[in-house]
Amino acid sequence: QVQLQESGPGLVRPSQTLSLTCTVSGGSISGGGYYWSWIRQHPGKGLQWIGYMSHSGSPYYNPSLKSRVTISVDTSENLFSLKLNSVTVADTAVYYCARLSSSSVSFDIWGQGTLVTVSS
Amino acid sequence: QSALTQPASVSGSPGQSSTISCSGTSSDVGSYDLVSWYQQHPGKAPKLIIYEATKRPSGVSNRFSGSKSGNTASLTISGLQAEDEADYFCCSYAGSSVVFGGGTKLTVL
Repeated sequence: QVQLQESGPGLVRPSQTLSLTCTVSGGSISGGGYYWSWIRQHPGKGLQWIGYMSHSGSPYYNPSLKSRVTISVDTSENLFSLKLNSVTVADTAVYYCARLSSSSVSFDIWGQGTLVTVSS
Repeated sequence: QSALTQPASVSGSPGQSSTISCSGTSSDVGSYDLVSWYQQHPGKAPKLIIYEATKRPSGVSNRFSGSKSGNTASLTISGLQAEDEADYFCCSYAGSSVVFGGGTKLTVL
């Protein structure tokens, strides 16, 4: 049973870089057929897709965040990462990592989520 | 890339049915049968309950059903139970990207 777990700082200063990691257990990130994804949820709000990439392909990003986002996959460590540059208080949110099935384009496995607060 | 449109809230009594709509455009919902639905209880991660507009993952109750017509997808929950009270989000493929709906709060009266 594949499981995902987010990790990273819960507090980031404005203008700094938000960095999160999602560790994949119970399966290989190189298995194919999936895109490894990041989604966020502002407090009390809806879900916002950030981006995704496969273990071997190019990343795809939300156009509204594209200039500040980098998603990468580390197959040797079986994890993938998110970097969001130049953060502001508007980036305060719960960040989820999730597995996207490439055939059905549905997020079938989610991490528990991690709250990241941007504050000085 | 605009969010899909969902009603902010719906409600129903135990045992009744409730339907949540998800309105998109010809660039997303209207072009692909790749609509998924997620259930989210407070403080929890979303859970996939419908994929490819009408299919249920293994283990999801058959009280949940999905449909799609044109640019609008719908989620119907029949035989409402107290445990169904949650937020529901739709999501659609939009050509190299995905877009979510704003979410609907289902209240079981």
